[in-house]
Amino acid sequence: EDKVVQSPLSLVVHEGDTVTLNCSYEVTNFRSLLWYKQEKKAPTFLFMLTSSGIEKKSGRLSSILDKKELFSILNITATQTGDSAVYLCAVAFYSGAGSYQLTFGKGTKLSVIP
Amino acid sequence: DTGVSQDPRHKITKRGQNVTFRCDPISEHNRLYWYRQTLGQGPEFLTYFQNEAQLEKSRLLSDRFSAERPKGSFSTLEIQRTEQGDSAMYLCASSSTSSGLAATSSYNEQFFGPGTRLTVL
Repeated sequence: EDKVVQSPLSLVVHEGDTVTLNCSYEVTNFRSLLWYKQEKKAPTFLFMLTSSGIEKKSGRLSSILDKKELFSILNITATQTGDSAVYLCAVAFYSGAGSYQLTFGKGTKLSVIP
Repeated sequence: DTGVSQDPRHKITKRGQNVTFRCDPISEHNRLYWYRQTLGQGPEFLTYFQNEAQLEKSRLLSDRFSAERPKGSFSTLEIQRTEQGDSAMYLCASSSTSSGLAATSSYNEQFFGPGTRLTVL
């Protein structure tokens, strides 16, 4: 059975700290790994990673994929209270007949304390 | 606003009633997905459309659930004879396909709508 496992499930840090969120996966017909940020609403797209070893960056956030070891990390440097959210990892896989699906992990709940 | 929209945003219904949700994807996106999300869990895939064709349905989608996308634009998700276990956030997402020869084998990121929160009493 395809699965995506995120760790830790929750994390509390102080403003200015650097955090690393982990995502491991076991998926057949892997296409891409995606990170989303979810506050009290729908998930917001952050990154899509398809190739190993290529870091994607957006401001204080960065992410990298290791397709050999089947995991990805999301780094957030100099955290701010506005980074408080659930960070979801999802893996896109080809399910046949021209169809793609996303399988999500349970998310990491990040709380940033002032 | 050119993002994915969903209507209604909240729905409270009594057990046994039927409900219908609507999703309007980003206009140039031909792929549309429905997900269900409960507290403390990531979204769970329900069904997928490419244009008007429903290509994939999860085993989570019992026969009380039906989805349509009649003209390849907006989609509706209907739940008949609702049960308390149906209470959840129902999310819609859309994505595009890349142009060119690799179109059918390409995957592009999905963008989510704000969701419809269903409460079944």
